[in-house]
Amino acid sequence: QSALTQPASVSGSHGQSITISCTGTSSDVGKYNLVSWYQQHPGKVPKLILYEVTKRPSGVSNRFSGSKSGNTASLTISGLQSEDEADYYCCSFVGRFSSLFGGGTKVTVL
Amino acid sequence: QVQLVQSGPEVKKPGASVKVSCKTSGYIFTTYGFTWVRQAPGQGLEWMGWISSYNGDTNSAQTFQGRVTLTTDTSTRTGYMELRNLKSDDTATYYCRVGAAAGEFDYWGHGTLVTVSS
Repeated sequence: QSALTQPASVSGSHGQSITISCTGTSSDVGKYNLVSWYQQHPGKVPKLILYEVTKRPSGVSNRFSGSKSGNTASLTISGLQSEDEADYYCCSFVGRFSSLFGGGTKVTVL
Repeated sequence: QVQLVQSGPEVKKPGASVKVSCKTSGYIFTTYGFTWVRQAPGQGLEWMGWISSYNGDTNSAQTFQGRVTLTTDTSTRTGYMELRNLKSDDTATYYCRVGAAAGEFDYWGHGTLVTVSS
């Protein structure tokens, strides 16, 4: 099964909002509301920032929000800050104890 | 607090096998399964497989089927990932994760670098 499709890179200025898409199929993203998003800084372990499409773990900034439409999930980062510069990965449950990651998106803060 | 401690870095020759361990603490072991994820240098995250800590149900990505074995040991609260017939492009950091398929309970090990080189 191919990775979920994410843009390779997204950039924005301090304080702006950016959106990262994660496109799958009707068998994964479109079928289950079980999409998670991870943030990974260089050399660090991935950190969960959203789960079940829209939910934020405790301690995660409310500048991170999620949505889903059809086969595409999206992560929006509002009020972009320097510390948001990182790689972001979506992950969807695809059934039968399996999940699938997106290819990752590098976010640059200009 | 929840902790996942993985085994140390490994250097293997092509064709060899590697077994990475992930020892856990701080939660009810049988509540959550282990997911194994790898990341080649400079590349993205790749889902490898999952195993239930409750009943041993397991599945792995098609890419690894036939080469990977996931196991758990309830007595030591440890998960294991064995990858056989290693190739150079198996060089990666291997992570264990505990949690549901998607949910707030989400904890990762620090990663184990496996280098495959002749």
